[in-house]
Amino acid sequence: QKEVEQNSGPLSVPEGAIASLNCTYSDRGSQSFFWYRQYSGKSPELIMFIYSNGDKEDGRFTAQLNKASQYVSLLIRDSQPSDSATYLCAVNYGTGNQFYFGTGTSLTVIP
Amino acid sequence: GAVVSQHPSWVICKSGTSVKIECRSLDFQATTMFWYRQFPKQSLMLMATSNEGSKATYEQGVEKDKFLINHASLTLSTLTVTSAHPEDSSFYICSARDYHAHEQFFGPGTRLTVL
Repeated sequence: QKEVEQNSGPLSVPEGAIASLNCTYSDRGSQSFFWYRQYSGKSPELIMFIYSNGDKEDGRFTAQLNKASQYVSLLIRDSQPSDSATYLCAVNYGTGNQFYFGTGTSLTVIP
Repeated sequence: GAVVSQHPSWVICKSGTSVKIECRSLDFQATTMFWYRQFPKQSLMLMATSNEGSKATYEQGVEKDKFLINHASLTLSTLTVTSAHPEDSSFYICSARDYHAHEQFFGPGTRLTVL
């Protein structure tokens, strides 16, 4: 069973702070890891993906992957109220294969 | 980035009727498309995986005769909800990926309400 787990939250951070979102996965065969953002009533949009151990930065977002510990995290620096959304972690086991999604973490950035 | 469209964006229908939802990849060839369903305040639920030219693979508990999926071309997949009932009311979202790509791109979703 391929499981992806996230803390459902809600997670609240003040504007300007760092928001830290975590995700763990069960299958060591996982190859690619994705973070999606979903606003209420909208479909998910890709923030970034990572497939190598370590950190990957894109603007205010940093994805961190630790395959030995089977977790992937997303850091959002200088959080803005517009970052308030549900963040979905997804795991993939190779090109052409399906993704497995976590249940999402609800983030609220307080002005 | 890659663009995926869905049509219609919302639909209201009477119980017992069938509804077809289209999913198109606009600027890339989607060798694989996925269909998800999401109920309010719940997570995405994968319904089926569709590869171009092949029969769709349905997740456990999803009735293939009720949710008909066709992926006849590299840019179009359709989901038909047959004999829809109020419990089928949900947010249906498709996504698409190219075989060599890591990413999966989502359409904007279709909100179905069955009266």
